[in-house]
Parts: sequence; C-alpha cells; structure tokens
Amino acid sequence: GAGVSQSPRYKVTKRGQDVALRCDPISGHVSLYWYRQALGQGPEFLTYFNYEAQQDKSGLPNDRFSAERPEGSISTLTIQRTEQRDSAMYRCASSFPPLTSGREVTDTQYFGPGTRLTVL
Amino acid sequence: QKEVEQNSGPLSVPEGAIASLNCTYSDRGSQSFFWYRQYSGKSPELIMSIYSNGDKEDGRFTAQLNKASQYVSLLIRDSQPSDSATYLCAVTKGRRALTFGSGTRLQVQP
Repeated sequence: GAGVSQSPRYKVTKRGQDVALRCDPISGHVSLYWYRQALGQGPEFLTYFNYEAQQDKSGLPNDRFSAERPEGSISTLTIQRTEQRDSAMYRCASSFPPLTSGREVTDTQYFGPGTRLTVL
Repeated sequence: QKEVEQNSGPLSVPEGAIASLNCTYSDRGSQSFFWYRQYSGKSPELIMSIYSNGDKEDGRFTAQLNKASQYVSLLIRDSQPSDSATYLCAVTKGRRALTFGSGTRLQVQP
C-alpha cells in the first residue's frame, strides 16, 4: 500500500511568511508524529496526534508553530512568521496503536519523505 | 547530557566484516528501542526493534539490549557497501514520540 506522503517536498519562502506543511499518513494509522531534522542530526520531536487529538506538543519550539489533524487523518503543520532558523527538513511519521504480545509493546513509526523548508 | 548518545563516526569497516554500532540512553524508564537506517537525502527506515534484554536477530542484523547498563547495540554481519548509511538509535517510553540519537555514519569499504 501507499506509504506516508508529505507535501510540498520542497518549500522556499521569505522570512516573515507563513507556511503550511501537509502530511498524509498510511491509511488506518491512528498515530501521527511531526519531527524536525537538522543536517547531521537525528529527527527531533515536535508534536503528535492520536486520531484528531493532539497528545503532546511539548516539542514545538514556540507559539509560531502549530499543528492540527481535524479529521484524524491528514495533518498540517503551520509555521507563522517564518524565520531563517526554521529552515530544516520536516518529517512526518505514522503508526498503528501499540500491539501487545505478552509484555512487549510494538509501535513502529513509518516516516514520510519529508519537506525541505528553506527560509530566505 | 543528551538523552540518546551515539558516536558520530564515521565507522569504517571492510566488506564482509562485522560492523558494531553502539548507543546509550539516559532515561531508565525507556521501554522500546529502535535502529533506523538513513541513506543520504532519504527518510529513516526501520531496521530493528527490541523491547527485552538480550539479543534479537533478523537476517544479518542483531540488536542487543542491556537495560541495566542503558545500552543498545546493532551488529551487522557480512557488511556490504550497500549498508553504508547513517544508523539512528531511537528510544521511546510507551506510546510516545521517538527520541533519536545523532546517528553513526557507517562506511563499508569494498
């Protein structure tokens, strides 16, 4: 089946503009995560949803960043009044709820291709 | 101290050798541990997951977990040039977001 998709793949914007990044998770996946990845670093958590409910937004850097998932499927990450320091790869991942088998908990996250954001 | 620490490398091994990648984590409550492979310019791809102390083998890959030492490792047997990539260690606690290390770059020399 189709994997996680993100759009646009590349976004160049001028400082001060708002941008909206879209994530379309794997069909049926309940959990959706947003990460930001700087060059040479691992992805850094921003926020995540179970269905339409935002469970944790502790990773959002400041109040210019917001995310929504109104129907429990597609999610949008919005950055208002962009700054040059916002330039990064923004990655989305999705997963099923954890499956329990004995004491094991599995919750594999599948990543999309990312959106490369450049703020000039 | 970072929550998940990895040696950035590069780790260089000859083709056919065993590559050993290491990771330490600081949160003793961590429950799930993952190794992702990331080729340059691509998205992370899950290689292995491990949840219990001990070894878990999948083909040429073996993940090792020692919760007492807060240590996770990945062994790649019979390394191939196609294994050259950055390997990201990630941990999570329950149904939570992943916390990643910075990754170790592996170079397999033909």
